[in-house]
Amino acid sequence: AQKITQTQPGMFVQEKEAVTLDCTYDTSDPSYGLFWYKQPSSGEMIFLIYQGSYDQQNATEGRYSLNFQKARKSANLVISASQLGDSAMYFCAMREGYTGGFKTIFGAGTRLFVKA
Amino acid sequence: DSGVTQTPKHLITATGQRVTLRCSPRSGDLSVYWYQQSLDQGLQFLIQYYNGEERAKGNILERFSAQQFPDLHSELNLSSLELGDSALYFCASSVDSKGRWGANVLTFGAGSRLTVL
Repeated sequence: AQKITQTQPGMFVQEKEAVTLDCTYDTSDPSYGLFWYKQPSSGEMIFLIYQGSYDQQNATEGRYSLNFQKARKSANLVISASQLGDSAMYFCAMREGYTGGFKTIFGAGTRLFVKA
Repeated sequence: DSGVTQTPKHLITATGQRVTLRCSPRSGDLSVYWYQQSLDQGLQFLIQYYNGEERAKGNILERFSAQQFPDLHSELNLSSLELGDSALYFCASSVDSKGRWGANVLTFGAGSRLTVL
């Protein structure tokens, strides 16, 4: 069964520094997608970045990059040059390609605090 | 505006009552997903519909039901409400495609906040 684990309930980072949010997953499906979403205090869910299990290169989107280590089953989000507006809850999510139905499941989230 | 419309934004009701949450997906998206987010919790997957048919089911209570209509909008019905049902209910939509992960990115609505007193 698919499973997503985020072990950091909360993280602090200084403005302008980089931060890594951890995500590990478990699946027996060879094909899967990994996603990161941001939830600011206003409550909306915002898509940040995705990675397919067969993608050769790590995904990047602006200041966001996904450090995908397939053998370790980890998909960590790296935010470079943190900004105050990055303070939010961050969720890692996964969807399997063949097994597990068509659902996207989410981890418990990591709350990021950016300090001025 | 994400393109996914959820109504109502806020709803306050009493235990034992029934409510209906409505969702209109983003134009072109065939899949609708429902998630429940209790206070300071992650998102729990409830159910997914694709082009009118139920496709995947999570830990959805028997008191909850959903459907997707021919115009692709979806409704989540919650009945015999309990205090523990108080939560933020998200609807999300996607194009939905095997193997094209970009097409499986979820676009979320703003959520319907349900308070059961």
